[in-house]
Amino acid sequence: DGGITQSPKYLFRKEGQNVTLSCEQNLNHDAMYWYRQDPGQGLRLIYYSQIVNDFQKGDIAEGYSVSREKKESFPLTVTSAQKNPTAFYLCASRQNGRGSEAFFGQGTRLTVV
Amino acid sequence: EDQVTQSPEALRLQEGESSSLNCSYTVSGLRGLFWYRQDPGKGPEFLFTLYSAGEEKEKERLKATLTKKESFLHITAPKPEDSATYLCAVQAWANTGFQKLVFGTGTRLLVSP
Repeated sequence: DGGITQSPKYLFRKEGQNVTLSCEQNLNHDAMYWYRQDPGQGLRLIYYSQIVNDFQKGDIAEGYSVSREKKESFPLTVTSAQKNPTAFYLCASRQNGRGSEAFFGQGTRLTVV
Repeated sequence: EDQVTQSPEALRLQEGESSSLNCSYTVSGLRGLFWYRQDPGKGPEFLFTLYSAGEEKEKERLKATLTKKESFLHITAPKPEDSATYLCAVQAWANTGFQKLVFGTGTRLLVSP
């Protein structure tokens, strides 16, 4: 079945530690996105990539990094510079072009312990 | 600045009590408006895409409409299983030349039996 897979579903991070969230899609989509969701704040864009080997900062990129070495994969690293990383992280992909919908993974809940 | 505002923030309905959710937007160059449903702890699930004013889409008890400034999600005779958060998003051009999706904060719908 085609879709987007995020892993792990739950992740615990110690203070000062970098962690990487995985996002893989087999939909052959060009564009991929990372969002952060906090209660009452909706989805905020962290990074997005429209093609392989290129990506752009979203609205809240500070403390995060990404790579896009393969079309299928768009991992997100939450660095120690991110002061408040506890949140629900969502990855999405879509085909480039007008009006094509985004498909989401099931999310990773990151908690700082 | 591209912006999406959803109202109400929360809505409680009795089973069978029809209502509407609102999504107002300001965006430079709308290329699509999307409705999603999100269940707790899950990724958003795509419902509809609307492209131009006057367009309507239907799916079971849901009907989405679009004007030049807002979209409505009408829920006819809702059932308890319609309880979820409904998200609205617009596809817009970023100043980088890439396309991005801007989300509203959602409407939490609770349908009581």
